Amino acid sequence: SQQGEEDPQALSIQEGENATMNCSYKTSINNLQWYRQNSGRGLVHLILIRSNEREKHSGRLRVTLDTSKKSSSLLITASRAADTASYFCATDATGGGNKLTFGTGTQLKVEL
Amino acid sequence: DAGVIQSPRHEVTEMGQEVTLRCKPISGHDYLFWYRQTMMRGLELLIYFNNNVPIDDSGMPEDRFSAKMPNASFSTLKIQPSEPRDSAVYFCASSTAVEQYFGPGTRLTVT
Repeated sequence: SQQGEEDPQALSIQEGENATMNCSYKTSINNLQWYRQNSGRGLVHLILIRSNEREKHSGRLRVTLDTSKKSSSLLITASRAADTASYFCATDATGGGNKLTFGTGTQLKVEL
Repeated sequence: DAGVIQSPRHEVTEMGQEVTLRCKPISGHDYLFWYRQTMMRGLELLIYFNNNVPIDDSGMPEDRFSAKMPNASFSTLKIQPSEPRDSAVYFCASSTAVEQYFGPGTRLTVT
C-alpha cells in the first residue's frame, strides 16, 4: 500500500498563482522527498527534507514537514505553465534502507 | 553523464511471450531500483539492489518476474510468461544515497 497519500489529487491554477500540495504518511521516517513527473517521463528529484527539519526552501519551492502529524506540504510560488506535471512525495522509512515509498501524486495544471 | 538508460522505450508483446527490460544505471551509483507505474496502483517498488546484490524483492508480484544485476553497469527485469495485467510503465532508478535518479521508463503493452 502507498505510504504517502497526496492531497489534492488534481489541482488547476492560473499562471502566477501559488500551488500547495499536501502529503500524509504513516510510519516514522528518516527523510521525505518530493519528485516531479512530466507526462511520459521519469521522475525528477526536487527537494529533500530530513526528519529533524521543519522547513526548507529551494528557488520557488518551499517544503514543510510536521512529524507529529506525519504530514508535509510542497508550495510552488509564482507558478508557470512549465510547472504543469505530477508531483509525488516519497518517504524513506526508519530502518527501511534506501527504499522509498511513493505517494499517489498530485496532478498540477498551470494555465496561461 | 547520460543519466539512467533504459531499453526498449516501448514494448508491445503478446500474452505468453517473454519480455526483458534493460537498465544501465549512472556510473558510480551503488543502488538500483525497479519500479512499476500504473494508473490503478501508482508507483510500486518491485526490487532493489545494492552493490549488485538483491536486497528487497518483496514487491515482485509473482514468480513470473525476475531481476538480475550481473555487474555494476547493467540490470534486467524479465517477465515470463507475460500477461495483459503486466501492462505498465517500468522505471529503473539509481542512487548513491537518498536521492534517486530515474530513467525514462519502458512502456510495456501485453495484448
